[in-house]
Amino acid sequence: DTEVTQTPKHLVMGMTNKKSLKCEQHMGHRAMYWYKQKAKKPPELMFVYSYEKLSINESVPSRFSPECPNSSLLNLHLHALQPEDSALYLCASSQGRVRGASDTQYFGPGTRLTVL
Amino acid sequence: KNEVEQSPQNLTAQEGEFITINCSYSVGISALHWLQQHPGGGIVSLFMLSSGKKKHGRLIATINIQEKHSSLHITASHPRDSAVYICAVRLGWEYGGATNKLIFGTGTLLAVQP
Repeated sequence: DTEVTQTPKHLVMGMTNKKSLKCEQHMGHRAMYWYKQKAKKPPELMFVYSYEKLSINESVPSRFSPECPNSSLLNLHLHALQPEDSALYLCASSQGRVRGASDTQYFGPGTRLTVL
Repeated sequence: KNEVEQSPQNLTAQEGEFITINCSYSVGISALHWLQQHPGGGIVSLFMLSSGKKKHGRLIATINIQEKHSSLHITASHPRDSAVYICAVRLGWEYGGATNKLIFGTGTLLAVQP
């Protein structure tokens, strides 16, 4: 199983709503990532979890709150978002080996988020 | 200047043509990835390279570490190859704890016409 799954596929929310994005992998990977991708732009890294601990936070606003409840699951909690936060949110995972070159990231299909 | 540059930004080809997409980078890396993204879709990892050349079906990826350059070739292109191709590099050990991080190029939008 080399699949990263994300739910929901699409999400429309108002600026006062609270919602969560979910990501799951069963490859035994110990590093998980959240990316944000605007149209016609490359993905931008938001957060990295390594062995269930937050290792990289790319100065993301606090209205985005990541959570890694176990090694297979990664959540992104959303609260009081702005319309400019509308984007494709991609999750990825990798084995998490820092030394050495081979740490391929496997990407999920993404959640298309629209903030009204 | 971006740390990872791709060319061309847009490419239109006729079915059957040989296609080359180039990637140049200015940082020390431990690996380079070629990724494929179809419109509105998730990302598929095509290759991970740290040296030499890799081939998978009609796709070939090469890397020259000394010249900090990689190419992705598609032989006998097909309309289903139409997608955005993204080059991404994984920083080398000299960047310490940042080595989980990928730096992405801006992508090459490929359209293969029948």
